[in-house]
Amino acid sequence: GESVGLHLPTLSVQEGDNSIINCAYSNSASDYFIWYKQESGKGPQFIIDIRSNMDKRQGQRVTVLLNKTVKHLSLQIAATQPGDSAVYFCAEIHYKLTFGKGTLLTVNP
Amino acid sequence: EAQVTQNPRYLITVTGKKLTVTCSQNMNHEYMSWYRQDPGLGLRQIYYSMNVEVTDKGDVPEGYKVSRKEKRNFPLILESPSPNQTSLYFCASSLSEGLNTGELFFGEGSRLTVL
Repeated sequence: GESVGLHLPTLSVQEGDNSIINCAYSNSASDYFIWYKQESGKGPQFIIDIRSNMDKRQGQRVTVLLNKTVKHLSLQIAATQPGDSAVYFCAEIHYKLTFGKGTLLTVNP
Repeated sequence: EAQVTQNPRYLITVTGKKLTVTCSQNMNHEYMSWYRQDPGLGLRQIYYSMNVEVTDKGDVPEGYKVSRKEKRNFPLILESPSPNQTSLYFCASSLSEGLNTGELFFGEGSRLTVL
């Protein structure tokens, strides 16, 4: 069946380091992927998206990489800051939006 | 300010007592949706609406009702709440179907406890 999951449930990094959050998806027909950030007590916020005809997309301090061969998605955050501490989850779209379960990123000062 | 507003933010109720969680968006979005978020299960879609008077079941619709009489409002109704509906609920909206842009705008969440 279709599933969207994350390799690590928690990730702890030092302030200033780069963070990499991973996501595996199982539906090879998915053609659109999104990363969301959810801070404590708030609703999810769109961070960045990528379509299946791309393998990399960059935003401000964030980069999403898509490897369709192994059905893997990653979110890279450069120079991680305390404000980046949150749950991050990926979502895939194939007729419907399916969310992954999330990775908790903790940034240590 | 563009936003999705949910009320109440927190609610404790008892089994069987009907309740409504309201959701309103001020962005003239066509697509609206309700999700519940539970530990270990992530976000699961309850119901969604592509436009006024058009609603469809999501993945976990049992025990819930919705209506879309106006474009801006999409209330979630629990006719007879049960303890397994204790959860964190999110309303979201998007300009189009939401599946082309992915940019769903979420409300702040409504934490519901059913005793």
